[in-house]
Amino acid sequence: GEDVEQSLFLSVREGDSSVINCTYTDSSSTYLYWYKQEPGAGLQLLTYIFSNMDMKQDQRLTVLLNKKDKHLSLRIADTQTGDSAIYFCAERSPYNQGGKLIFGQGTELSVKP
Amino acid sequence: EAGVAQSPRYKIIEKRQSVAFWCNPISGHATLYWYQQILGQGPKLLIQFQNNGVVDDSQLPKDRFSAERLKGVDSTLKIQPAKLEDSAVYLCASSLDSGSPLHFGNGTRLTVT
Repeated sequence: GEDVEQSLFLSVREGDSSVINCTYTDSSSTYLYWYKQEPGAGLQLLTYIFSNMDMKQDQRLTVLLNKKDKHLSLRIADTQTGDSAIYFCAERSPYNQGGKLIFGQGTELSVKP
Repeated sequence: EAGVAQSPRYKIIEKRQSVAFWCNPISGHATLYWYQQILGQGPKLLIQFQNNGVVDDSQLPKDRFSAERLKGVDSTLKIQPAKLEDSAVYLCASSLDSGSPLHFGNGTRLTVT
């Protein structure tokens, strides 16, 4: 079945790197996504990776995908207090299955000055 | 580009009352999604439209929830009658097609008392 798991909390110091981890179960997933949610707001798309890629870098964000272990991670370099939010990992089902997103329960990132 | 618009932002109703939420997707986006996000959890798909047709409504509690997307643009989600466990944020998202990234609105926070 489809299931996405994340650790619930992460606390880091400003300036450090943050690594948020995610595991998923559906090996037929096409894309994997990272979304950010600030209090009272909707989900903001941060980045995504195609399932046949190993890594994607976008400014301070690095996504690593280990398809064999079904493990996805998001690294935020030089973490700032403005990065404090909940981060959601999501897997995308194939197009012929509707292409829906299945979300994890979110990791709350707390950045201390 | 204007984002996904949702209204109202907040709604408080008593159990057994009815409520409706409205969503206006990004112009040109064929696929529209309604997600339910219960406090402390990740979003869960309720229904997915491709233009004005339903692609996936397998997780929609059809005895009380209904949704429509007339003319393939705006959409409404209705709950009748509401239960206490329907208290959640209802997020609307749209994508160019069912293979493109989802863009979310800010959601409607529903409290059922």
